Parts: sequence; C-alpha cells; structure tokens
Amino acid sequence: GENVEQHPSTLSVQEGDSAVIKCTYSDSASNYFPWYKQELGKRPQLIIDIRSNVGEKKDQRIAVTLNKTAKHFSLHITETQPEDSAVYFCAASTSNSKLTFGKGITLSVRP
Amino acid sequence: NAGVTQTPKFRILKIGQSMTLQCTQDMNHNYMYWYRQDPGMGLKLIYYSVGAGITDKGEVPNGYNVSRSTTEDFPLRLELAAPSQTSVYFCASSRTGWEQYFGPGTRLTVT
Repeated sequence: GENVEQHPSTLSVQEGDSAVIKCTYSDSASNYFPWYKQELGKRPQLIIDIRSNVGEKKDQRIAVTLNKTAKHFSLHITETQPEDSAVYFCAASTSNSKLTFGKGITLSVRP
Repeated sequence: NAGVTQTPKFRILKIGQSMTLQCTQDMNHNYMYWYRQDPGMGLKLIYYSVGAGITDKGEVPNGYNVSRSTTEDFPLRLELAAPSQTSVYFCASSRTGWEQYFGPGTRLTVT
C-alpha cells in the first residue's frame, strides 16, 4: 500500500520567514495530495490540495508543489505568523475514497 | 450547517466494556470515514463508507465495527475495549471522496 513520510518531525522558524515542509510518497499511482493543519486540541482542517496533473498551486501565503518524478510534494508558507504554529499533515491518495497520512510535522513560529 | 458532529467528546472505559462513538453529518456527503490519532503517529484509517449500506476496512480495523444505515450517520462500535484503543477518534466526511472534512473528535481512554 501507499506509504507517506514527512521529515523532519519538527520545524522552527522566525516570524516573517518562509517555511517549507516536504513529504514523500511511495505509490506512483497516487494522484491527489492534500495538506491538513491541526491546531492543538482541534480537528484537522484542509488548507490546500493538489492533483497530479498540476505542478503547483497557490492560495495567498501558502503554496504546494508536486514533483511526480521524485515522488515528493512540499508545502510552502511565506511570511509566517504565530498563528501558523500547528501540526501539518500531508496525505496521498490513489483513488477518490481513501487517504494515507504522514505522521505530521510540528511547525513553531517564533515571535 | 453543523457539518460533522461527534459524540461524546470524552469517555473513559474500563477494559472489556463496549461503546458506540456517534458521527453525524448534515452535508449529504456520500463518503464517511473513521480515523484514530495516536501521539506522533498521524491519522490511521479504521473503516470507511462510500454510501449508505456500504462499508469497508481501512488500515487498522481490528477491534472495531461500523454500520451505515443512513447517509447522515456512521457509528463506530468498540467491543471488549482494550488499553491499545486509547486514542483520539475522528470522523470525517466528503462529497467527492477527495476533500475530507473532520468532526471535533472523541478522546477515549481505556483503563
């Protein structure tokens, strides 16, 4: 089955700097790649997603890039703010019914 | 719309007891999911459903059962609770099977 990995497990950046979080996946048939943000004690929330026929997608301060050849995709957050501090999960899917999630990365934005 | 709702929010069970975690969505979504989230381990799929009357196993189904008699409801049943089932349980739903929307979660402790 699909295997999704996120490294590192924690990332700390200074407020205003950019943060890049990378995920790798194993199944070349995967064609949908969402990113979820989970604040402490809250539910995961979808923040951006990308399909395999697109290389990049942007929404205000966040963007996702996909490299199908290397089987990795990345979340880019520009002009980070303290409210960006959270756990970020990537996921991958080969069909429109199941997602395989990574273990998550804890992003800390230092004021 | 209330979105995805889950009850209870917290529960403590003794080993060997059983219980049902409730999940309801009012968005008329066909796809519904149950995940468990353990610290540092991401989200693991327990069971999912692509429509009323249809359910299928996910990655970690042992010790759990589900049913889907209506579009709105997708209860998760724990029989003979074990300490290994201590976790936070999230229900999610999706219209298309791609973007998933999560409920607030149920924090379960088995002692």
